[in-house]
Amino acid sequence: DTEVTQTPKHLVMGMTNKKSLKCEQHMGHRAMYWYKQKAKKPPELMFVYSYEKLSINESVPSRFSPECPNSSLLNLHLHALQPEDSALYLCASSQEPDRLTGELFFGEGSRLTVL
Amino acid sequence: EDKVVQSPLSLVVHEGDTVTLNCSYEVTNFRSLLWYKQEKKAPTFLFMLTSSGIEKKSGRLSSILDKKELFSILNITATQTGDSAVYLCVHLSGTYKYIFGTGTRLKVLA
Repeated sequence: DTEVTQTPKHLVMGMTNKKSLKCEQHMGHRAMYWYKQKAKKPPELMFVYSYEKLSINESVPSRFSPECPNSSLLNLHLHALQPEDSALYLCASSQEPDRLTGELFFGEGSRLTVL
Repeated sequence: EDKVVQSPLSLVVHEGDTVTLNCSYEVTNFRSLLWYKQEKKAPTFLFMLTSSGIEKKSGRLSSILDKKELFSILNITATQTGDSAVYLCVHLSGTYKYIFGTGTRLKVLA
């Protein structure tokens, strides 16, 4: 079983809706990531939080709004999305940067469909 | 710009065959190279390689890194239908910069 938990597993929303994706890890990792993955493509980095502060924003549109309430939780708030935003959204975590040589731990993903 | 290239893009084999998946990289600040297997959902970790020439093994899977020639290979022997998946080569370059290759889609036929 993955140690990174994402909810919901599936989400269908209209273009005017506001929804959130949630991610939780209890491995003591201080870096958390959001990736977007389209069909038959590798994951693309969206955001990285380090010690609960936003470290990387890969020029993601403002209709995606990340939030890191504490070291275990990561949210992605969604508002006014477009159909092309439909994808698998993966949350991941890793150790803090000074010890960072290795594994990125992924959640199961949230499959988002925008109608 | 850092780049990770995998080949072949897709591969179809029969059960019992041995396959070799390739990953070459051009990066500015090498820290480690990782292999993941992705079936329907989240990628699952296979190996992490940081030193050249040292083979990592897990059952029928093995991987090795050549830092001089900037490539890694993933071998799967005696393939099974359960090995069907996308195999991702990922390079860690600098802080938080995990760079994904395009993946190799492997299909193992019974």
